[in-house]
Amino acid sequence: GDSVTQMEGPVTLSEEAFLTINCTYTATGYPSLFWYVQYPGEGLQLLLKATKADDKGSNKGFEATYRKETTSFHLEKGSVQVSDSAVYFCALSNNAGNMLTFGGGTRLMVKP
Amino acid sequence: DTAVSQTPKYLVTQMGNDKSIKCEQNLGHDTMYWYKQDSKKFLKIMFSYNNKELIINETVPNRFSPKSPDKAHLNLHINSLELGDSAVYFCASSQGTGFSGNTIYFGEGSWLTVV
Repeated sequence: GDSVTQMEGPVTLSEEAFLTINCTYTATGYPSLFWYVQYPGEGLQLLLKATKADDKGSNKGFEATYRKETTSFHLEKGSVQVSDSAVYFCALSNNAGNMLTFGGGTRLMVKP
Repeated sequence: DTAVSQTPKYLVTQMGNDKSIKCEQNLGHDTMYWYKQDSKKFLKIMFSYNNKELIINETVPNRFSPKSPDKAHLNLHINSLELGDSAVYFCASSQGTGFSGNTIYFGEGSWLTVV
């Protein structure tokens, strides 16, 4: 079945550091890929998505490129802020039922 | 306006009780979901409804019963609560089921603690 693997956290960075959170997937066909973010005590918010190979999703300074050849969708940001501290989830949807398969989440902690 | 709203946000209850979590979306979507997030933050789908019809039912104990009175509402009823049911339950919705790239919008979650 489909699966998503992302790097285990926590990831601890200083403010203005460069962020990469790795995400790889296993799926048949051509899934759509998503990054969701969960701030402390809150629900899930869509951060960005890409629906076909080579698409780049971007939002709030974050970006990720759908790489079919490496089955990856790594999340990057050039300069993180303390307010980016949250748990980040990589996910895929691979059927008409729109069921999301999530990775295990990566906690990001940004220190001033 | 809250797009996907669920109540209650926090619920503490004793083992053996029956409880319900309600969910409503005002986005005009025709597909709604329940997801469960365990203590390790792992998220897994439980149910999906499209136009009030059940389309996804993952391996969930039959103590969990979703009910969709109309396409804007999807409630979750849990019978005979167990300690292992303690989790955060997220309601979500999306427009249609014909495209895997449709964005799924989540509610703020209902934190259930069974004692």
